Amino acid sequence: DAGVIQSPRHEVTEMGQEVTLRCKPISGHDYLFWYRQTMMRGLELLIYFNNNVPIDDSGMPEDRFSAKMPNASFSTLKIQPSEPRDSAVYFCASRAGRGSGQPQHFGDGTRLSIL
Amino acid sequence: DAKTTQPPSMDCAEGRAANLPCNHSTISGNEYVYWYRQIHSQGPQYIIHGLKNNETNEMASLIITEDRKSSTLILPHATLRDTAVYYCIVPNQAGTALIFGKGTTLSVSS
Repeated sequence: DAGVIQSPRHEVTEMGQEVTLRCKPISGHDYLFWYRQTMMRGLELLIYFNNNVPIDDSGMPEDRFSAKMPNASFSTLKIQPSEPRDSAVYFCASRAGRGSGQPQHFGDGTRLSIL
Repeated sequence: DAKTTQPPSMDCAEGRAANLPCNHSTISGNEYVYWYRQIHSQGPQYIIHGLKNNETNEMASLIITEDRKSSTLILPHATLRDTAVYYCIVPNQAGTALIFGKGTTLSVSS
Protein backbone atom coordinates (compact mmCIF):
# COMPACT_ATOMS: atom_id res chain seq x y z
CA ASP A 1 0.00 0.00 0.00
CA ALA A 2 1.23 3.49 -0.78
CA GLY A 3 2.03 5.56 2.27
CA VAL A 4 1.79 9.31 2.70
CA ILE A 5 3.45 10.98 -0.27
CA GLN A 6 5.07 14.39 0.00
CA SER A 7 6.62 16.57 -2.65
CA PRO A 8 9.09 17.97 -3.24
CA ARG A 9 11.58 16.07 -1.08
CA HIS A 10 13.94 19.03 -1.06
CA GLU A 11 13.32 22.70 -1.75
CA VAL A 12 15.87 25.49 -1.78
CA THR A 13 14.67 28.98 -2.49
CA GLU A 14 15.50 32.58 -1.75
CA MET A 15 13.93 34.67 0.95
CA GLY A 16 10.73 36.34 -0.14
CA GLN A 17 9.70 33.62 -2.58
CA GLU A 18 6.49 31.67 -2.29
CA VAL A 19 6.89 28.03 -1.27
CA THR A 20 4.25 25.33 -1.73
CA LEU A 21 4.56 21.93 -0.12
CA ARG A 22 2.29 19.10 -1.20
CA CYS A 23 0.89 16.03 0.48
CA LYS A 24 -1.14 13.04 -0.63
CA PRO A 25 -2.56 11.16 2.36
CA ILE A 26 -3.20 7.44 2.54
CA SER A 27 -6.39 6.60 0.71
CA GLY A 28 -9.36 6.39 3.03
CA HIS A 29 -7.80 8.38 5.86
CA ASP A 30 -10.02 11.10 7.29
CA TYR A 31 -7.41 13.12 9.16
CA LEU A 32 -4.42 14.97 7.75
CA PHE A 33 -1.71 16.69 9.79
CA TRP A 34 1.13 19.07 8.99
CA TYR A 35 4.19 19.10 11.29
CA ARG A 36 7.45 21.02 11.26
CA GLN A 37 10.76 19.80 12.69
CA THR A 38 13.71 21.98 13.65
CA MET A 39 16.70 21.37 15.89
CA MET A 40 15.57 24.08 18.28
CA ARG A 41 11.89 23.21 18.60
CA GLY A 42 11.74 19.53 17.66
CA LEU A 43 8.59 18.19 16.01
CA GLU A 44 5.61 20.50 16.35
CA LEU A 45 2.07 20.28 14.99
CA LEU A 46 1.10 23.14 12.68
CA ILE A 47 -2.46 22.31 11.60
CA TYR A 48 -4.77 19.37 11.08
CA PHE A 49 -7.82 18.63 8.95
CA ASN A 50 -10.74 16.27 9.41
CA ASN A 51 -12.73 15.40 6.30
CA ASN A 52 -10.95 18.22 4.43
CA VAL A 53 -11.97 20.84 7.01
CA PRO A 54 -9.29 22.62 9.07
CA ILE A 55 -9.93 21.84 12.72
CA ASP A 56 -7.01 23.35 14.62
CA ASP A 57 -4.50 25.78 13.14
CA SER A 58 -3.19 27.11 16.44
CA GLY A 59 0.28 25.80 15.62
CA MET A 60 0.63 27.82 12.44
CA PRO A 61 3.41 30.28 13.27
CA GLU A 62 2.02 33.36 11.51
CA ASP A 63 -0.10 34.65 8.68
CA ARG A 64 2.59 33.89 6.13
CA PHE A 65 1.63 30.23 6.53
CA SER A 66 -1.55 28.82 5.04
CA ALA A 67 -2.83 25.29 4.43
CA LYS A 68 -5.60 23.94 2.26
CA MET A 69 -7.19 20.60 1.59
CA PRO A 70 -9.33 20.90 -1.54
CA ASN A 71 -10.17 17.20 -1.60
CA ALA A 72 -9.57 14.00 0.34
CA SER A 73 -6.43 13.11 -1.58
CA PHE A 74 -4.48 16.35 -1.60
CA SER A 75 -3.27 19.08 0.74
CA THR A 76 -0.90 22.01 0.43
CA LEU A 77 1.09 24.06 2.90
CA LYS A 78 2.07 27.45 1.54
CA ILE A 79 4.54 30.00 2.88
CA GLN A 80 4.39 33.48 1.39
CA PRO A 81 6.72 35.30 1.70
CA SER A 82 9.30 32.81 2.93
CA GLU A 83 12.00 33.73 5.47
CA PRO A 84 15.26 31.99 6.48
CA ARG A 85 13.76 31.02 9.85
CA ASP A 86 11.21 28.88 7.98
CA SER A 87 14.00 26.47 7.08
CA ALA A 88 12.99 23.10 8.51
CA VAL A 89 11.75 19.66 7.60
CA TYR A 90 7.99 19.65 7.06
CA PHE A 91 6.10 16.40 7.56
CA CYS A 92 2.62 15.43 6.56
CA ALA A 93 0.76 12.62 8.33
CA SER A 94 -2.63 10.99 7.98
CA ARG A 95 -4.80 8.63 9.98
CA ALA A 96 -8.07 6.85 9.69
CA GLY A 97 -10.91 8.37 11.65
CA ARG A 98 -12.84 5.22 12.22
CA GLY A 99 -11.91 3.15 15.23
CA SER A 100 -10.40 4.46 18.39
CA GLY A 101 -6.66 4.63 18.77
CA GLN A 102 -5.81 4.76 15.08
CA PRO A 103 -2.15 5.76 14.63
CA GLN A 104 -0.85 8.53 12.42
CA HIS A 105 1.38 7.58 9.50
CA PHE A 106 4.01 10.04 8.33
CA GLY A 107 5.47 10.89 4.96
CA ASP A 108 9.19 11.22 4.30
CA GLY A 109 9.05 15.00 4.66
CA THR A 110 10.13 18.03 2.66
CA ARG A 111 13.47 19.53 3.61
CA LEU A 112 13.09 23.28 3.09
CA SER A 113 16.00 25.70 2.96
CA ILE A 114 15.36 29.42 2.65
CA LEU A 115 18.47 31.38 1.70
CA ASP B 1 -2.78 16.33 27.89
CA ALA B 2 -0.65 13.70 29.60
CA LYS B 3 3.07 14.31 29.67
CA THR B 4 5.60 11.57 29.16
CA THR B 5 9.10 11.19 30.57
CA GLN B 6 11.80 9.15 28.86
CA PRO B 7 15.54 8.74 29.47
CA PRO B 8 17.51 10.83 26.97
CA SER B 9 19.69 7.95 25.78
CA MET B 10 20.24 4.21 26.01
CA ASP B 11 22.73 1.73 24.63
CA CYS B 12 22.09 -1.83 23.54
CA ALA B 13 24.24 -4.60 22.13
CA GLU B 14 23.21 -6.04 18.80
CA GLY B 15 21.09 -9.17 19.22
CA ARG B 16 20.04 -8.30 22.75
CA ALA B 17 16.64 -7.04 23.83
CA ALA B 18 16.22 -3.29 24.08
CA ASN B 19 13.83 -2.18 26.82
CA LEU B 20 12.81 1.47 26.57
CA PRO B 21 10.89 2.87 29.54
CA CYS B 22 8.34 5.68 29.60
CA ASN B 23 6.49 7.33 32.47
CA HIS B 24 3.04 8.80 31.86
CA SER B 25 1.74 9.21 35.39
CA THR B 26 -1.05 11.66 34.49
CA ILE B 27 -2.60 9.52 31.76
CA SER B 28 -6.37 9.29 31.85
CA GLY B 29 -8.42 6.15 31.47
CA ASN B 30 -9.19 6.42 27.77
CA GLU B 31 -5.86 7.73 26.50
CA TYR B 32 -3.69 5.47 24.37
CA VAL B 33 0.08 5.22 24.56
CA TYR B 34 1.83 5.37 21.18
CA TRP B 35 5.42 4.63 20.28
CA TYR B 36 7.14 6.06 17.24
CA ARG B 37 10.75 6.14 16.14
CA GLN B 38 12.70 8.42 13.85
CA ILE B 39 15.79 7.31 12.01
CA HIS B 40 18.07 10.16 10.94
CA SER B 41 15.71 12.77 9.49
CA GLN B 42 13.19 10.35 8.04
CA GLY B 43 9.54 10.71 8.93
CA PRO B 44 8.50 9.30 12.30
CA GLN B 45 7.65 5.62 11.97
CA TYR B 46 4.74 4.17 13.88
CA ILE B 47 5.75 1.18 16.01
CA ILE B 48 2.93 0.14 18.30
CA HIS B 49 0.20 1.48 20.60
CA GLY B 50 -1.89 0.24 23.49
CA LEU B 51 -4.55 1.18 26.00
CA LYS B 52 -4.52 -1.28 28.88
CA ASN B 53 -3.37 -4.66 27.69
CA ASN B 54 0.09 -5.61 26.56
CA GLU B 55 0.50 -5.56 22.81
CA THR B 56 2.83 -7.28 20.37
CA ASN B 57 3.37 -6.89 16.65
CA GLU B 58 6.10 -7.75 14.18
CA MET B 59 8.24 -4.86 15.33
CA ALA B 60 7.98 -4.77 19.09
CA SER B 61 6.11 -5.51 22.29
CA LEU B 62 4.49 -2.96 24.55
CA ILE B 63 4.12 -3.64 28.25
CA ILE B 64 1.77 -1.31 30.14
CA THR B 65 1.67 -1.41 33.93
CA GLU B 66 -1.62 -2.19 35.60
CA ASP B 67 -2.01 1.38 36.89
CA ARG B 68 -1.14 2.63 33.35
CA LYS B 69 1.36 5.12 34.73
CA SER B 70 4.27 3.68 32.82
CA SER B 71 5.07 1.45 29.89
CA THR B 72 8.03 -0.29 28.29
CA LEU B 73 8.75 -0.79 24.62
CA ILE B 74 10.66 -3.98 23.94
CA LEU B 75 12.64 -4.65 20.80
CA PRO B 76 13.35 -8.37 21.29
CA HIS B 77 16.49 -8.67 19.15
CA ALA B 78 17.95 -5.25 18.43
CA THR B 79 19.87 -4.69 15.21
CA LEU B 80 22.07 -1.83 14.07
CA ARG B 81 19.13 -0.56 12.02
CA ASP B 82 17.15 -0.03 15.21
CA THR B 83 19.42 2.88 16.14
CA ALA B 84 16.99 5.80 16.26
CA VAL B 85 15.16 8.27 18.49
CA TYR B 86 12.18 6.58 20.13
CA TYR B 87 9.18 8.64 21.18
CA CYS B 88 6.56 7.65 23.73
CA ILE B 89 3.44 9.76 23.15
CA VAL B 90 0.07 10.16 24.79
CA PRO B 91 -2.11 12.26 22.45
CA ASN B 92 -4.88 14.60 23.51
CA GLN B 93 -8.23 13.12 24.41
CA ALA B 94 -9.52 13.43 20.89
CA GLY B 95 -6.59 11.32 19.79
CA THR B 96 -5.64 13.93 17.26
CA ALA B 97 -2.58 15.91 18.30
CA LEU B 98 0.70 14.07 18.83
CA ILE B 99 2.99 16.05 21.11
CA PHE B 100 6.57 14.91 20.51
CA GLY B 101 9.03 15.33 23.36
CA LYS B 102 12.76 14.74 23.07
CA GLY B 103 12.45 10.95 23.11
CA THR B 104 15.15 8.38 23.86
CA THR B 105 18.11 8.04 21.54
CA LEU B 106 18.80 4.31 21.28
CA SER B 107 22.26 3.33 20.07
CA VAL B 108 22.70 -0.29 19.03
CA SER B 109 26.29 -1.41 18.64
CA SER B 110 27.96 -4.61 17.48
